[in-house]
Amino acid sequence: AQSVSQHNHHVILSEAASLELGCNYSYGGTVNLFWYVQYPGQHLQLLLKYFSGDPLVKGIKGFEAEFIKSKFSFNLRKPSVQWSDTAEYFCAVNAGNNAGNMLTFGGGTRLMVKP
Amino acid sequence: DAGITQSPRHKVTETGTPVTLRCHQTENHRYMYWYRQDPGHGLRLIHYSYGVKDTDKGEVSDGYSVSRSKTEDFLLTLESATSSQTSVYFCASRGTGFSGNTIYFGEGSWLTVV
Repeated sequence: AQSVSQHNHHVILSEAASLELGCNYSYGGTVNLFWYVQYPGQHLQLLLKYFSGDPLVKGIKGFEAEFIKSKFSFNLRKPSVQWSDTAEYFCAVNAGNNAGNMLTFGGGTRLMVKP
Repeated sequence: DAGITQSPRHKVTETGTPVTLRCHQTENHRYMYWYRQDPGHGLRLIHYSYGVKDTDKGEVSDGYSVSRSKTEDFLLTLESATSSQTSVYFCASRGTGFSGNTIYFGEGSWLTVV
């Protein structure tokens, strides 16, 4: 079964600091990869996704993620965070042989950006 | 975002009572899902559906049942609610084809079992 690990459970940064959130998955075949963001009290919103092609994916709000197949990783980055980026971030994987096309989520990383 | 609505959005219920959460989508999506979100666990799949009357269990299905009699509606039932089922429940859906690889989420249903 596929699994997803997010190593940082809580991250605290000051505004303008750079962000990198780790995500590793455990599936050796074709995968689709996603990052979702959940602002306080809200539902999950898609930040970015990787299906194929260029392993560097750009998403909304200045976020990007790099798929490194050899490391089974899909880390999320942002060069300069803002207070409004305070949220919980979830990495998710959809494995190619997944009949139900469901996503498996990591445990989430809570990001707090201090003004 | 896809048109996914959940009801009720908030509910407090007593242990042992049955509870049904409703998910309604207007995108004609084939696949629908129920997840629960708990601190430190991320989102865990309860049940999913891959078509009308076609459902299957997810990672944490014990104590839950689902039904899908129409494409647009996916119901989650807690047969006899327990305190461990206090959680936030998210419904999600996705279509088919290239654009169908993205799952869209509803706004969540906060359930408290006392």
